[in-house]
Amino acid sequence: DTGVSQDPRHKITKRGQNVTFRCDPISEHNRLYWYRQTLGQGPEFLTYFQNEAQLEKSRLLSDRFSAERPKGSFSTLEIQRTEQGDSAMYLCASSLKRDTEAFFGQGTRLTVV
Amino acid sequence: KQEVTQIPAALSVPEGENLVLNCSFTDSAIYNLQWFRQDPGKGLTSLLLIQSSQREQTSGRLNASLDKSSGRSTLYIAASQPGDSATYLCAVFEYGNKLVFGAGTILRVKS
Repeated sequence: DTGVSQDPRHKITKRGQNVTFRCDPISEHNRLYWYRQTLGQGPEFLTYFQNEAQLEKSRLLSDRFSAERPKGSFSTLEIQRTEQGDSAMYLCASSLKRDTEAFFGQGTRLTVV
Repeated sequence: KQEVTQIPAALSVPEGENLVLNCSFTDSAIYNLQWFRQDPGKGLTSLLLIQSSQREQTSGRLNASLDKSSGRSTLYIAASQPGDSATYLCAVFEYGNKLVFGAGTILRVKS
């Protein structure tokens, strides 16, 4: 296994369009996290899954954002009606279980024009 | 609300120098603390995880310490190299579920 994989690496979209990102965690990891990072800042928590259950969502995750993890494997993060303020790096991480080392993917850089 | 602060925000050192990066957090009721490295435009690479019961952890030229009571962690890098140039991020585990990050320290090691 080569680690956490994210796709696409870069996405440019027009304001108002919908976008979807995919994350494939390390295969035996049952915890999966989404974070968002803007320039010059540390990542901010968005949401996390334990297996297929979404257990916590940040207030940063507005109604335009939705995340899924069907069958507890890969996860998708969808942003509807994108706004310029959504431009950021979206990072996915996974861990084996609670409080264990988190491993991050290479991120998806979203630019909304 | 947990807040994580990293000092300095940026650091430039000559190659070979030993250096210390600082991380402080406001709520000492953390579980673990993890240090990461981030290269420009890339994801995060895990460097060290310190469990709440530990006081330090070592990996190669890196040594991280944790003092929960004072809300501090340090990352010591020995014999710095130009390849160490990156942003270093500190993150604390909040009640088991998510990481709270500092803004990072941008390190430049000059050859």
